[in-house]
Amino acid sequence: AQTVTQSQPEMSVQEAETVTLSCTYDTSENNYYLFWYKQPPSRQMILVIRQEAYKQQNATENRFSVNFQKAAKSFSLKISDSQLGDTAMYFCAFMKGGAGGTSYGKLTFGQGTILTVHP
Amino acid sequence: DVKVTQSSRYLVKRTGEKVFLECVQDMDHENMFWYRQDPGLGLRLIYFSYDVKMKEKGDIPEGYSVSREKKERFSLILESASTNQTSMYLCASSPLGAGDTEAFFGQGTRLTVV
Repeated sequence: AQTVTQSQPEMSVQEAETVTLSCTYDTSENNYYLFWYKQPPSRQMILVIRQEAYKQQNATENRFSVNFQKAAKSFSLKISDSQLGDTAMYFCAFMKGGAGGTSYGKLTFGQGTILTVHP
Repeated sequence: DVKVTQSSRYLVKRTGEKVFLECVQDMDHENMFWYRQDPGLGLRLIYFSYDVKMKEKGDIPEGYSVSREKKERFSLILESASTNQTSMYLCASSPLGAGDTEAFFGQGTRLTVV
């Protein structure tokens, strides 16, 4: 079984600053995917960024980037130039890979980190 | 726009009632999921379905059942609601080979059992 741990229940950052959210995971799988999802006050979960475990290069999406350390089983999210709209709950999630869709897309989530961006 | 629609945003039910939470997706996805979200616990998988009439238990299935009679619709059933089932419920869907894409979520149903 997989576990995902987010050790920061709450974080805050000033607008335009940079913040890093931490995530560690535990698995015996070699083929897997990692995700960061954002849940704003509207409750709509939005995918922020995804990382394939077999890729060494860290994923980036505009102001969002990850630091994927496979050996350490660490997957942190860096938000640069923070904006007020980044205020949300952020979830780190793990998905086992599998041929022919055998993972069925099940996600294992961390506890979440509430990020508040202050003007 | 892709869409996962949950029938209610807020629901209040009495202890012992049978409760149905409905979820519909318009993306022709094979996989559908029900998660429960609680503070400090994140999202936990209750049940999922990878095809019509197929279902499998997730991590916390006790007290719940599901139904998937049509590909686009996945229902969560609380057979006899209890106060410890007060929570936020999120439905999601994803296609086969979901690691190469993403799961899409509904806006959640906040259920209160009194």
